[in-house]
Amino acid sequence: AQSVTQPDIHITVSEGASLELRCNYSYGATPYLFWYVQSPGQGLQLLLKYFSGDTLVQGIKGFEAEFKRSQSSFNLRKPSVHWSDAAEYFCAVVPGSASKIIFGSGTRLSIRP
Amino acid sequence: EAGVAQSPRYKIIEKRQSVAFWCNPISGHATLYWYQQILGQGPKLLIQFQNNGVVDDSQLPKDRFSAERLKGVDSTLKIQPAKLEDSAVYLCAAAGGRVNEQFFGPGTRLTVL
Repeated sequence: AQSVTQPDIHITVSEGASLELRCNYSYGATPYLFWYVQSPGQGLQLLLKYFSGDTLVQGIKGFEAEFKRSQSSFNLRKPSVHWSDAAEYFCAVVPGSASKIIFGSGTRLSIRP
Repeated sequence: EAGVAQSPRYKIIEKRQSVAFWCNPISGHATLYWYQQILGQGPKLLIQFQNNGVVDDSQLPKDRFSAERLKGVDSTLKIQPAKLEDSAVYLCAAAGGRVNEQFFGPGTRLTVL
């Protein structure tokens, strides 16, 4: 079955430490890939997206993600997290240009002072 | 861009009552989505409009949920009658560009008692 998997439900990292949030998908062709962030009580904000081309994409707030076709992954990274990065992060996939977006179940990020 | 406005931000009702949510998307964005986000889960698509026509309502519980998009701009989502399991955040999103790049409103948090 087609799916988007975020294997980590909750991650805690220290402020200033590096971060990697995992996302795997199971679709036949290369889908369109997104990462969204949701702060408490807020809607989703787009961090970055991958459609084609360079597999390392830069986003807002210092985030980046790398598309790895061989691993069907699109992991989100940040070299040094800030306390304001504490939020819920959602990976999302659009299997084809006319398809609806499918969200993962999310990873909650907590920051340790 | 003007963003996606939603109202109300919070609503508390008793089961079997009716409730309506309103969404005003970014001007010129032809596609509008309603999502249901239950606590601890990713958003689930309820209905997608293209202008004022329904594209996908396969996951909308049509016995109690209804939605309309007047003149291809504003949209309302109604629940009648509400059940306890309808407690969730209802998100509206708009897209008008390439490949389902969606912009989300802040959501309406519904609590059914």
